Amino acid sequence: AQSVAQPEDQVNVAEGNPLTVKCTYSVSGNPYLFWYVQYPNRGLQFLLKYITGDNLVKGSYGFEAEFNKSQTSFHLKKPSALVSDSALYFCAVREYGNNRLAFGKGNQVVVIP
Amino acid sequence: EPEVTQTPSHQVTQMGQEVILRCVPISNHLYFYWYRQILGQKVEFLVSFYNNEISEKSEIFDDQFSVERPDGSNFTLKIRSTKLEDSAMYFCASSEILGYTFGSGTRLTVV
Repeated sequence: AQSVAQPEDQVNVAEGNPLTVKCTYSVSGNPYLFWYVQYPNRGLQFLLKYITGDNLVKGSYGFEAEFNKSQTSFHLKKPSALVSDSALYFCAVREYGNNRLAFGKGNQVVVIP
Repeated sequence: EPEVTQTPSHQVTQMGQEVILRCVPISNHLYFYWYRQILGQKVEFLVSFYNNEISEKSEIFDDQFSVERPDGSNFTLKIRSTKLEDSAMYFCASSEILGYTFGSGTRLTVV
């Protein structure tokens, strides 16, 4: 069964510093990978996805993620964090052949001014 | 940009009561979903719906749950007899093939 691990509960980073949120996955076959962000009392907003092709995927708000098949990882990155990036970030995977997304537990990102 | 709309945003209900959560998916999307997020926990898949029938459901989606697309625009989740442990944020989503759009959620509180 497909699954996602987000090993850190909270990521603290100073404003202007690089931000990395880690994600590893487990699927049978090729994965479809997604990152979503959730602000307090809001829904899940799509950031980016990897389906096929270039391993480096660029998304919304300056975020990018790199698909690494050998390490089964899909870490989310931003070169220079903003205070407004403080939110809950979810990695999700979909296995080829079904429609359900499996989510990680989420990472709280706190950007310190 | 097209949105998935969910109503109500908050619902408080007594244990044992029936609730219906409503969603308006994006109009040209073909696949519809319900997910839930218990406070402080991860987002969990409940059910997917395609071509007017359930295409996949999780072990959470038992006989107390049902989904319906009563007309061309709405997609509903019904919980027949709510339990305290049904308290959660419920998200509706729709997709074409590989682009999922989520609504803002309905916070359900069972008292």
